[in-house]
Amino acid sequence: SQELEQSPQSLIVQEGKNLTINCTSSKTLYGLYWYKQKYGEGLIFLMMLQKGGEEKSHEKITAKLDEKKQQSSLHITASQPSHAGIYLCGAGNSGNTPLVFGKGTRLSVIA
Amino acid sequence: NAGVTQTPKFQVLKTGQSMTLQCAQDMNHEYMSWYRQDPGMGLRLIHYSVGAGITDQGEVPNGYNVSRSTTEDFPLRLLSAAPSQTSVYFCASSYSIRSSYEQYFGPGTRLTVT
Repeated sequence: SQELEQSPQSLIVQEGKNLTINCTSSKTLYGLYWYKQKYGEGLIFLMMLQKGGEEKSHEKITAKLDEKKQQSSLHITASQPSHAGIYLCGAGNSGNTPLVFGKGTRLSVIA
Repeated sequence: NAGVTQTPKFQVLKTGQSMTLQCAQDMNHEYMSWYRQDPGMGLRLIHYSVGAGITDQGEVPNGYNVSRSTTEDFPLRLLSAAPSQTSVYFCASSYSIRSSYEQYFGPGTRLTVT
């Protein structure tokens, strides 16, 4: 079955700094989702990538999909305290199977 | 739209007790699923359903039952609670199981089994 490995597991950055979170799949990616979870709360959809080379941005968060490497990266520019939380990537084994998720990356942003 | 709703938000059970976690969506979504989230383990799929009357097992189905009698509701039943089932449970729904459709998550139910 497909496995998603996220790195790093946790990250502490100073406010204003840039950061990157990676999600690597053990199998071919069929749609890659990024979610954010605030501590003790539900998952908030950030963006979905479907095609190799695709890149999407939302406010200061940019995600890219590298189909050949079976990897996606999430980049946050000029981090703010509001970016703190757990970032999860999810993907399907094929186009018609439930999503599997990585274990998450815990981001802390300090002033 | 209320989106995906889950009740209760918090629950404490004693070992051996049974209970049902409720999940409902008002978006007419065909696909619904249950995940549990444990520290260091990420989200793991328990059961899922691609439509009313159709359910299937996920990665960690043991100790849980589901049914899908309507499009809107997808309850998760714990038959005999065990401490290993202490977790946060999330219900999700989507227009389709196909990975091209966004999944919407409920706020979660935090369950403690003593």
